[in-house]
Amino acid sequence: KAGVTQTPRYLIKTRGQQVTLSCSPISGHRSVSWYQQTPGQGLQFLFEYFSETQRNKGNFPGRFSGRQFSNSRSEMNVSTLELGDSALYLCASTEGPTSPLHFGNGTRLTVT
Amino acid sequence: DAKTTQPPSMDCAEGRAANLPCNHSTISGNEYVYWYRQIHSQGPQYIIHGLKNNETNEMASLIITEDRKSSTLILPHATLRDTAVYYCIVRDQSNTGNQFYFGTGTSLTVIP
Repeated sequence: KAGVTQTPRYLIKTRGQQVTLSCSPISGHRSVSWYQQTPGQGLQFLFEYFSETQRNKGNFPGRFSGRQFSNSRSEMNVSTLELGDSALYLCASTEGPTSPLHFGNGTRLTVT
Repeated sequence: DAKTTQPPSMDCAEGRAANLPCNHSTISGNEYVYWYRQIHSQGPQYIIHGLKNNETNEMASLIITEDRKSSTLILPHATLRDTAVYYCIVRDQSNTGNQFYFGTGTSLTVIP
């Protein structure tokens, strides 16, 4: 099976703009999670979607949002970008609650 | 918050076994231990997981103590490609979501 695919791989945006990142999970995986990784904070959970519904949400401001489509593909959106949003954004999918997460290689977002 | 404690860094000679320890003294009965590794600028890669029995796969072995308060990941014959940050994660099997708490991990350097 193909792995988790994230697009784009790199992105440069300006403060105040918004951005949408895309994630295609492994075929058959219905749960998709998003994580933010920065040098200072490490890997932090953003949110999880299952069957088009947000099931869990991390401690991030409302500027961070996401959605999942009927084919399990997911997008996350960050509005009114700040310099501190510069990070590697990782998407992961899983078959179920006792199965491991499988991560994509992420989208590197730089906010200038 | 991360529920695990790992040494920040370790070295291992190429060809030797790498033993990476993890403390999870507050683990509860239904929580699994997962191990991931991350090579710079890539997504975390799943290695192995277990509940209370020792586990082995093609990548590594996982040894969990009888009281389940600590575990050790063993890479039997370390190669230069095993140089990465290794994360030990405790995940609640019973929660309805798939939220992983990543700590700071162990940076393993395999030395030629």
